Amino acid sequence: EAGVTQFPSHSVIEKGQTVTLRCDPISGHDNLYWYRRVMGKEIKFLLHFVKESKQDESGMPNNRFLAERTGGTYSTLKVQPAELEDSGVYFCASSPGSMKYNEQFFGPGTRLTVL
Amino acid sequence: AQRVTQPEKLLSVFKGAPVELKCNYSYSGSPELFWYVQYSRQRLQLLLRHISRESIKGFTADLNKGETSFHLKKPFAQEEDSAMYYCALFSGGYNKLIFGAGTRLAVHP
Repeated sequence: EAGVTQFPSHSVIEKGQTVTLRCDPISGHDNLYWYRRVMGKEIKFLLHFVKESKQDESGMPNNRFLAERTGGTYSTLKVQPAELEDSGVYFCASSPGSMKYNEQFFGPGTRLTVL
Repeated sequence: AQRVTQPEKLLSVFKGAPVELKCNYSYSGSPELFWYVQYSRQRLQLLLRHISRESIKGFTADLNKGETSFHLKKPFAQEEDSAMYYCALFSGGYNKLIFGAGTRLAVHP
């Protein structure tokens, strides 16, 4: 079974440009999460989808970040316009069902560098 | 506030030595704690969870509610244990993980 996939693996853009990250969860997983690790700091939660609905977006840093999950399958995270402090590794994770806790399976991450 | 603290950024040991990676947490209620590991050029993966009380790859972790700790231990480190280790707290109804900053374990031959 294919794991969580993310595209691209690396992205280098200039400040002010737009970047869109994509995450394909494990097939059948209703829960999809975005996390971010900024250099030298902890991995921080950004938001959580249950199917196509945003369950919790309390971790989104500001309105330059927009996440979507149309049809409850893959998700995109758009940063517009990108700032220097947005550099980091963006992880996507998915988990099945609605149990209190299910293991979250992580993708390989997208390394974003904003110059 | 819900928080996970891993005080050591780097832990360097020799092969065969005991290892203890420290993790302290702050959480009101009954915590659910996990250790995740990221080996070089691999994705983040679950190592173990406290509710399972299991030993994975020789690692164990005991939840100590009195000391609010969940330290990861292994009696004899192996070179293949070298990786980044993250302690994480499951934030209940919000269904998100709260991670510590991670500890890099380097096991030398």
